[in-house]
Amino acid sequence: SQTIHQWPATLVQPVGSPLSLECTVEGTSNPNLYWYRQAAGRGLQLLFYSVGIGQISSEVPQNLSASRPQDRQFILSSKKLLLSDSGFYLCALERQGDEQFFGPGTRLTVL
Amino acid sequence: KQEVTQIPAALSVPEGENLVLNCSFTDSAIYNLQWFRQDPGKGLTSLLLIQSSQREQTSGRLNASLDKSSGRSTLYIAASQPGDSATYLCAVGMDSSYKLIFGSGTRLLVRP
Repeated sequence: SQTIHQWPATLVQPVGSPLSLECTVEGTSNPNLYWYRQAAGRGLQLLFYSVGIGQISSEVPQNLSASRPQDRQFILSSKKLLLSDSGFYLCALERQGDEQFFGPGTRLTVL
Repeated sequence: KQEVTQIPAALSVPEGENLVLNCSFTDSAIYNLQWFRQDPGKGLTSLLLIQSSQREQTSGRLNASLDKSSGRSTLYIAASQPGDSATYLCAVGMDSSYKLIFGSGTRLLVRP
């Protein structure tokens, strides 16, 4: 069965510091992968998706970037965090049959 | 631009009651619709997936229906239990890239 690992689980970072969140998946090959953000008082918003190694599509202009260096690894990064980057970051993969399956998430607080 | 709305935003019911959560979307040209459950501070758990060609899906005490022409989906929960307390999210997929557009959720509390 498919499993999604996200780390860290929680993170507190100062404004202006860099960021790297990692998502790794098991039990599948060549999945579509997604990064979503859930900010306080707002719904889930798709940030990036990837259909393969090195292929990244960005949904909204922002302070973040994503990379997919390996088939089962998806990384979310920032060079300088903003207060508005605080939120709950969720990685997801598309299962067979079109269903999206979500990881446990990383809660980021920018101070 | 697709917009997904969930009503009500919050719902409190006594244990054992049957209940319906509503989801509406503005663009009926959807690829699929998925219902999720989110417990506080946790990730999303997929409950039901309905393809655009389907009218409903069932899993245990849950039944989700889809009416594309009217832009509506409902999640029916039978014989609610305190363990059903969570936020329920619906999300529509607009094309084969399977990008999901989420509603803001319904926060459900089932009182013992």
